[in-house]
Amino acid sequence: DTGVSQDPRHKITKRGQNVTFRCDPISEHNRLYWYRQTLGQGPEFLTYFQNEAQLEKSRLLSDRFSAERPKGSFSTLEIQRTEQGDSAMYLCASSLGTGESYEQYFGPGTRLTVT
Amino acid sequence: RKEVEQDPGPFNVPEGATVAFNCTYSNSASQSFFWYRQDCRKEPKLLMSVYSSGNEDGRFTAQLNRASQYISLLIRDSKLSDSATYLCVAFGGTSYGKLTFGQGTILTVHP
Repeated sequence: DTGVSQDPRHKITKRGQNVTFRCDPISEHNRLYWYRQTLGQGPEFLTYFQNEAQLEKSRLLSDRFSAERPKGSFSTLEIQRTEQGDSAMYLCASSLGTGESYEQYFGPGTRLTVT
Repeated sequence: RKEVEQDPGPFNVPEGATVAFNCTYSNSASQSFFWYRQDCRKEPKLLMSVYSSGNEDGRFTAQLNRASQYISLLIRDSKLSDSATYLCVAFGGTSYGKLTFGQGTILTVHP
């Protein structure tokens, strides 16, 4: 399977703990995106990378959130001191990001539950 | 006002029906538009890209009206397997990275 992969698929954590999620994009894609989705809503943009450079961050990305893509391949999203409001599906997507091909392809997501 | 607005539905239609979803966007600088399909507790999957006035793929037709800032998706001859949430998405304008999603329209096709 050469699609976007995410790990773990599910994470249950207690409030105040730190969690880290991983995303592996489609191999030839140089852009990688993180979104968050809550029940009944469409995904909301968090941040994106072109290669290893983080080009944009949403104001939704508080200082408890940090994302990295150190070698321009996989990416990690860390949430520190989790809160119950962080419970959501965290989706990763990737795209070629060249010409008009901005179509983004999503991974299966990591479902976070903060208790 | 949300940047991308959709009628959340739900739409309940019988098999074989034609159904249309509407979507409006507020950022006139948006360049490209997409329709994604999302099954329950799954990731969004790209259904159609709309770069000019419209696009057609089998039973699915998307139309774009830039003057009215309006996008539509028409599904003909609905199948049970079309039951899902359909997400209207805008790209470009103030950002060349993020997709801006509507809240989605729920479709249920019944026998």
